[in-house]
Amino acid sequence: DIVMTQSPDSLAVSLGERATINCKSSQSVLKSSNNKHYLAWYQQKPGQPPKLLIYWASTRESGVPDRFSGSGSGTDFTLTISSLQAEDVAVYYCQQYYSSPSYIFGQGTKLEIK
Amino acid sequence: QVQLQESGPGLVNPTETLSLTCAVSGYSILSGYYWGWFRQPPGKGLEWIGSIFHTGTTYYNPSLNSRVIISVDTSKNQISLRLNFVTAADTAVYFCARPDSGYVAYWGQGTLVTVS
Repeated sequence: DIVMTQSPDSLAVSLGERATINCKSSQSVLKSSNNKHYLAWYQQKPGQPPKLLIYWASTRESGVPDRFSGSGSGTDFTLTISSLQAEDVAVYYCQQYYSSPSYIFGQGTKLEIK
Repeated sequence: QVQLQESGPGLVNPTETLSLTCAVSGYSILSGYYWGWFRQPPGKGLEWIGSIFHTGTTYYNPSLNSRVIISVDTSKNQISLRLNFVTAADTAVYFCARPDSGYVAYWGQGTLVTVS
């Protein structure tokens, strides 16, 4: 099974500063058949379901602010928030769907305001 | 717009069966896509439980495979989850969702099930 490991487990960033969250998969999530990385990022606030932010590693979901971006390839991926806003306080999860319809999430990264 | 709503008992006795239903609106299950169940123990991360296609084809998390059954009722446009022989470790918020191509754009609000 593919294992997803996020770092750090928690992160405190000042308002307006950049936040970076990393996700590493135990094996490549790139399918050569379509040259796509089967990696998504979610934001979850207390009492709410996860919200899809990024899919195919770097495609922003409709309605997601452009301060959120995804990058990476192979086994190493990054979610970047370019200028942290107060409403971005949440737990962030990466998810691989390479093994769809089986899905594995990272353990989550808690993002707070410094 | 696709909407999903979970329902079921919020409290289940140990060793008994957890049963939840997810009503889908805004989209016909018969039109396609996988539909899935996920869960999240209090204060912990997300776990995939299993998925079902409208044809009834199912895939389950191997860690739960022997205890879980997911079914679909296309006449009611809903999916169901049954988890047998529950323990306190099964206490969680249970979400139904539609994994589009694998990433999940549509989630229910979730329902807390406590085993006690």
